[in-house]
Amino acid sequence: EDQVTQSPEALRLQEGESSSLNCSYTVSGLRGLFWYRQDPGKGPEFLFTLYSAGEEKEKERLKATLTKKESFLHITAPKPEDSATYLCAVQAMRRGSQGNLIFGKGTKLSVKP
Amino acid sequence: EPEVTQTPSHQVTQMGQEVILRCVPISNHLYFYWYRQILGQKVEFLVSFYNNEISEKSEIFDDQFSVERPDGSNFTLKIRSTKLEDSAMYFCASGTGGSGYGYTFGSGTRLTVV
Repeated sequence: EDQVTQSPEALRLQEGESSSLNCSYTVSGLRGLFWYRQDPGKGPEFLFTLYSAGEEKEKERLKATLTKKESFLHITAPKPEDSATYLCAVQAMRRGSQGNLIFGKGTKLSVKP
Repeated sequence: EPEVTQTPSHQVTQMGQEVILRCVPISNHLYFYWYRQILGQKVEFLVSFYNNEISEKSEIFDDQFSVERPDGSNFTLKIRSTKLEDSAMYFCASGTGGSGYGYTFGSGTRLTVV
């Protein structure tokens, strides 16, 4: 069964304190791994797509990496506005699939000034 | 920046009633999705829609649910005879490609069944 597990469930950082969020996955053929940011009461906001092991993507203070079993979202020198829940999701290679996403439960990040 | 628009933002309905959740996807997108998120739980896939038909659906999407694209702009999710356990945030999403592509989510409709 395709599955996504994120850790930790919650992470509290001081402003400027860098850290990493983990997403481990089991999937029958990976089509793509996606990172989203979700603010309270809002829909997921797209951040990155990664397709193959070794791939990296960066956006401002965020950097996503991918291996064959997991992905990391590295946050460098975070600011309070980075506080949100970060969701990881995978798409499986499946005949007829139109790209449905399998989500993890997310990591709730709080950055204190 | 183009966005996916969902209405209403919050709907309260009595158990057993029918509800229709509405979405206006981004205009040049071809793939449409509904997801739901029960409070404190994962975002879960319900259904994908392409070329005016359902292309994939999850076990959650049973006969109680239906989707429609009644015109060139709207995409609706109908829930017949709502149950208490249907209370959740429902997200619509749209994208330019299918498998392998990311897509844009709306802000959601919070459905409360009482």
